[in-house]
Amino acid sequence: EIVLTQSPTTMAASPGEKVTLTCRASSSVSYMHWYQQKSGASPKLWIYDTSNRASGVPNRFSGSGSGTSYSLTISSMETEDAATYYCQQWSSNPLTFGSGTKLEIK
Amino acid sequence: QVTLKESGPGMLQPSKTLSLTCSFSGFSLSTSGMVVSWIRQPSGKSLEWLAAIDWDGDKYYNPSLKSRLTVSKDTSNTQVFLKITSVDIADTATYYCARRRAADWYFDFWGPGTMVTVSS
Repeated sequence: EIVLTQSPTTMAASPGEKVTLTCRASSSVSYMHWYQQKSGASPKLWIYDTSNRASGVPNRFSGSGSGTSYSLTISSMETEDAATYYCQQWSSNPLTFGSGTKLEIK
Repeated sequence: QVTLKESGPGMLQPSKTLSLTCSFSGFSLSTSGMVVSWIRQPSGKSLEWLAAIDWDGDKYYNPSLKSRLTVSKDTSNTQVFLKITSVDIADTATYYCARRRAADWYFDFWGPGTMVTVSS
């Protein structure tokens, strides 16, 4: 099973600040997908196939990476971006999710 | 538009069998390429994929839980079911169903989840 380790576990960013969340895989994966989850709600697809924004996702969000290292970047933090972000892989069975990064507004 | 909604017992006792239903609209599980999965999330923790069933009736399980899981669908292809046998406190979680297209390796639509508490 591929283990996805996300860092940091928790972070706070000020409005306008650039934010980078990292997801590291225990073995190489072909693609990484990201979900945003706000408190009390279900996850929403946010970034798919490493770098594609899901429908309705603001263009301040971007994804990149390859092999065992992937990242989600927010170019300029906004209040509405406060949430927990999870990465997910399915290059190898079973599909797995990362432990999540909780992003707060400072 | 695509919507999914989970339903379950809310609470059940240890050692019992948990039965969950996912009702969906906006797509049919008889359509080639459609897949519905079950995913759970204990409070404050991450997500765990449990099982999936596709348009062809093929079933997939997380190996770590396979012996306890049964996924199925109804003949109208608008509901998917999950049974988990011999539940214990560790099965307390919010259970989600989510849609995936077979050609994609991510979940594009999720239900709101149903919370299940295992307690004596």
